[in-house]
Amino acid sequence: DGGITQSPKYLFRKEGQNVTLSCEQNLNHDAMYWYRQDPGQGLRLIYYSQIVNDFQKGDIAEGYSVSREKKESFPLTVTSAQKNPTAFYLCASSVLPGTSSYEQYFGPGTRLTVT
Amino acid sequence: ELKVEQNPLFLSMQEGKNYTIYCNYSTTSDRLYWYRQDPGKSLESLFVLLSNGAVKQEGRLMASLDTKARLSTLHITAAVHDLSATYFCAVDGETSGSRLTFGEGTQLTVNP
Repeated sequence: DGGITQSPKYLFRKEGQNVTLSCEQNLNHDAMYWYRQDPGQGLRLIYYSQIVNDFQKGDIAEGYSVSREKKESFPLTVTSAQKNPTAFYLCASSVLPGTSSYEQYFGPGTRLTVT
Repeated sequence: ELKVEQNPLFLSMQEGKNYTIYCNYSTTSDRLYWYRQDPGKSLESLFVLLSNGAVKQEGRLMASLDTKARLSTLHITAAVHDLSATYFCAVDGETSGSRLTFGEGTQLTVNP
């Protein structure tokens, strides 16, 4: 089955610790994205990548870091510099610009709680 | 900066009634997407609208796109409880590459 997996589903951390969220896709998509969603809010873009070893900041990149060493994988690290990291994190992927549709496909999400 | 606005943000309706959710956006684009999110879950793609005048229908939901007015609508016909969810529209602007900008979402509750 093709799709996007995120792990873990729930993650609990103490304040001051870095934590890495996993995102893997087997859709052969070139582009991958990380979003943050707060309760009752829309999605805000953290980082995105259109090619291996390259990525761009989204609207709320401060306190986060990413890597794209493989096409299938786009892990997100929430660092201790992120002031309010508790949120629902969604990973997505899509084909590249130049095709007719940039429809993004979403993983199941990781709910991060930092205390 | 591309802005996407949905209204209403909250919608409570009775089963069997019709209603429309509106999505306005601020820049030129002919690609618009509608997603559904159930509580605590991820986003599920509903419709992809790729040109002016595009209309897509699935069951009791119908989406349309007017690129000249920079407006998309999601029309609900004879609502049922199973349609209760949050609905998001998303737009990619002509200069944004593959980035999507999402609206705030419309939280729909269908009451018996």
